[in-house]
Amino acid sequence: DAKTTQPNSMESNEEEPVHLPCNHSTISGTDYIHWYRQLPSQGPEYVIHGLTSNVNNRMASLAIAEDRKSSTLILHRATLRDAAVYYCILSPGWGSARQLTFGSGTQLTVLP
Amino acid sequence: DAGITQSPRHKVTETGTPVTLRCHQTENHRYMYWYRQDPGHGLRLIHYSYGVKDTDKGEVSDGYSVSRSKTEDFLLTLESATSSQTSVYFCAISEPPKGNSPLHFGNGTRLTVT
Repeated sequence: DAKTTQPNSMESNEEEPVHLPCNHSTISGTDYIHWYRQLPSQGPEYVIHGLTSNVNNRMASLAIAEDRKSSTLILHRATLRDAAVYYCILSPGWGSARQLTFGSGTQLTVLP
Repeated sequence: DAGITQSPRHKVTETGTPVTLRCHQTENHRYMYWYRQDPGHGLRLIHYSYGVKDTDKGEVSDGYSVSRSKTEDFLLTLESATSSQTSVYFCAISEPPKGNSPLHFGNGTRLTVT
């Protein structure tokens, strides 16, 4: 199964942009890239997903490398409420739900 | 929370006792999942369901069973709880996972087995 690699932790200053990287060198052509985040004492929350093109929504932007072996979640202006663990996972286009596996994610700390 | 309710939110039980956790959804999603989350292991899939009475194992299914008799309810049972099953359990739902279907999670059940 395709896996992802993320840094264990990152820090950002409040009101500055944050770029959270994810490597997925074994991604297959039909795998979607999903990002979730988990605030303390809550369940994971869907953030954004994409296949090949960059995506924007009200929460964040997703930049996908041309070879799709890496992606970056962009928070345009970090707030203290964005402090969370961010997970990058691959969702197979035609595979089994059993393949929806999460790694340890990136712990984002936002400094005031 | 996308209409997902997990119960109970907290439970303490003794080793060897049976425990059932409930996940209830109001979204009419076909797929439901049970994950456990432990320090150093992230989220791991226990079992999932792709319809009423249709279930399959995840990566850490030993010691757990599930049942789905109605679209809205997915039950996770620990037949004989062990201390290694102390964890936070999350239920999730989705449309059929064709790649672009996000998972929506409940707020979890914290289970302590003493």
